Amino acid sequence: DAGITQSPRHKVTETGTPVTLRCHQTENHRYMYWYRQDPGHGLRLIHYSYGVKDTDKGEVSDGYSVSRSKTEDFLLTLESATSSQTSVYFCAISAGSGSIPATDTQYFGPGTRLTVL
Amino acid sequence: AQKITQTQPGMFVQEKEAVTLDCTYDTSDPSYGLFWYKQPSSGEMIFLIYQGSYDQQNATEGRYSLNFQKARKSANLVISASQLGDSAMYFCAMRTGNQFYFGTGTSLTVIP
Repeated sequence: DAGITQSPRHKVTETGTPVTLRCHQTENHRYMYWYRQDPGHGLRLIHYSYGVKDTDKGEVSDGYSVSRSKTEDFLLTLESATSSQTSVYFCAISAGSGSIPATDTQYFGPGTRLTVL
Repeated sequence: AQKITQTQPGMFVQEKEAVTLDCTYDTSDPSYGLFWYKQPSSGEMIFLIYQGSYDQQNATEGRYSLNFQKARKSANLVISASQLGDSAMYFCAMRTGNQFYFGTGTSLTVIP
């Protein structure tokens, strides 16, 4: 199994509070991703990183920010949580094969269940 | 725009029978990858199988095979000899560039 951990695994918070989710990998993979999973929507990309301090927006980035100061850590921050951000959040990693990126496989962390009241 | 479509919200299959889960995709990128993931009720996402856009043969991994029809833009997952442990959500995904796109999933129930 790919070495990916997420913390916390469960969190309940109140509307308007800041929240930070952490993803940690031991695989030294270049690419890291944050997704949210909601019923009827599958997984939707929030942000991704292609290297230290290199990040880009995904499909549903509004209300979220990310940071990557080390290869192994990718943080997702909700600056002011809203009830619409109640979801299961997954981190994923991929090695990135350079010349043939389409051959790369993505591996997932265990997920974080976030509830915003 | 990139898109993945899974039209079967739920499927049932008898134990030991084969089942096909449908997936269609849309992209203008000539280089892409197609993936299937399994999500059991415990919640983790498990990688099952991969097919590259330039691969000539269909991918197989044990009881899983990917029926890749490029002209039709379909990438159906075939599970042979279904087992009770195959009951789960199944997601089709496509990678183009640095991003992955997921379908909404198919819930598979294996009946004893």
